[in-house]
Amino acid sequence: GQSLEQPSEVTAVEGAIVQINCTYQTSGFYGLSWYQQHDGGAPTFLSYNALDGLEETGRFSSFLSRSDSYGYLLLQELQMKDSASYFCAADDKIIFGKGTRLHILP
Amino acid sequence: DGGITQSPKYLFRKEGQNVTLSCEQNLNHDAMYWYRQDPGQGLRLIYYSQIVNDFQKGDIAEGYSVSREKKESFPLTVTSAQKNPTAFYLCASSLTSATYEQYFGPGTRLTVT
Repeated sequence: GQSLEQPSEVTAVEGAIVQINCTYQTSGFYGLSWYQQHDGGAPTFLSYNALDGLEETGRFSSFLSRSDSYGYLLLQELQMKDSASYFCAADDKIIFGKGTRLHILP
Repeated sequence: DGGITQSPKYLFRKEGQNVTLSCEQNLNHDAMYWYRQDPGQGLRLIYYSQIVNDFQKGDIAEGYSVSREKKESFPLTVTSAQKNPTAFYLCASSLTSATYEQYFGPGTRLTVT
């Protein structure tokens, strides 16, 4: 079957760095996206990787390894407002992971 | 201000009634999507439309119907055939079906009792 696996929860300290992993199994694959969703809110797009390697956007970076069917989202200089759920998503067929809830401790 | 609107934010219905959720976008996007989100389940694709007058089933289309008569609008009807309709429904759009970035509306929380 087609699926994306992510940890259900991750906890980190304010100001630290955290990595959220995503492994995927899909029949067709173009790239991996990451979305952030605060409680009760709409998901917002963070990044996309079509090629292997690291993409950096400010405090957020995303990595993809096609050979390992694996990617991760890296959040640096964590702020309390980063407390949210983070979803990886794969295309061609649109599939989302179940999300990782990030808890940030002061 | 461009974006996606969904209304209402909260909707309550009795079991056995059909209900239609609204989704409108003024981003001039060709592709639109409907997702269902349940606690701990992530987002699951119900239907998507690549262009006006065309739509395809997603993974969980049973008990739902859609129409795409206008580029800006993609309403979702939750029918009485949907066995467990209580959920958070999210509408999204992208420039084209080949564009990876999706823009989401604020969602409609449907409760059926």
